[in-house]
Amino acid sequence: ETGVTQSPTHLIKTRGQQVTLRCSSQSGHNTVSWYQQALGQGPQFIFQYYREEENGRGNFPPRFSGLQFPNYSSELNVNALELDDSALYLCASSLGGGSYEQYFGPGTRLTVT
Amino acid sequence: AQSVTQLGSHVSVSEGALVLLRCNYSSSVPPYLFWYVQYPNQGLQLLLKYTTGATLVKGINGFEAEFKKSETSFHLTKPSAHMSDAAKYFCAVSYTNAGKSTFGDGTTLTVKP
Repeated sequence: ETGVTQSPTHLIKTRGQQVTLRCSSQSGHNTVSWYQQALGQGPQFIFQYYREEENGRGNFPPRFSGLQFPNYSSELNVNALELDDSALYLCASSLGGGSYEQYFGPGTRLTVT
Repeated sequence: AQSVTQLGSHVSVSEGALVLLRCNYSSSVPPYLFWYVQYPNQGLQLLLKYTTGATLVKGINGFEAEFKKSETSFHLTKPSAHMSDAAKYFCAVSYTNAGKSTFGDGTTLTVKP
């Protein structure tokens, strides 16, 4: 069974640029959640996708957007990058919208200069 | 809005000593409660969860937590610390599914030989 994978591992971007982060969910999981973890803080919920539809969103501006594909993999897109977007971005997959367990990937470390 | 408070950003114990990591949540409605562990440069791993039923929950690696509704607490304990327990621990709550969780800022556990 393949776990949750994320790519790339690290990324450096310049303020104002756009970035796309990718996540492959665990086999059989149809739900993906994205979190932003700033240095020294806990993860903050960005949004969740369930069967290709957005299923809830945290307190993040519209320049944070996402997609989920038919194979349940997912993308997180961030436009007009700001310095404060520098963080570890985590995705987690789960089975079904009502699941009580989610499995995290290793994260993508984004640095905005 | 729900919130999670983890008292003590850093906890240090000796190997073999009791581990106690504190978590309080703010809500009048009992949420679903989770403890995760994060090792350096890795994603989060679920240690244990409380959904319904027995308030004392046992997890992996010898950890357990007790849900106390009257105190709105979900403290994590382990009778005897091992060097391998050194990591950052996060408490999280959710009212829907695990993928829409609110996390605390975490407690870094150091285990001294």
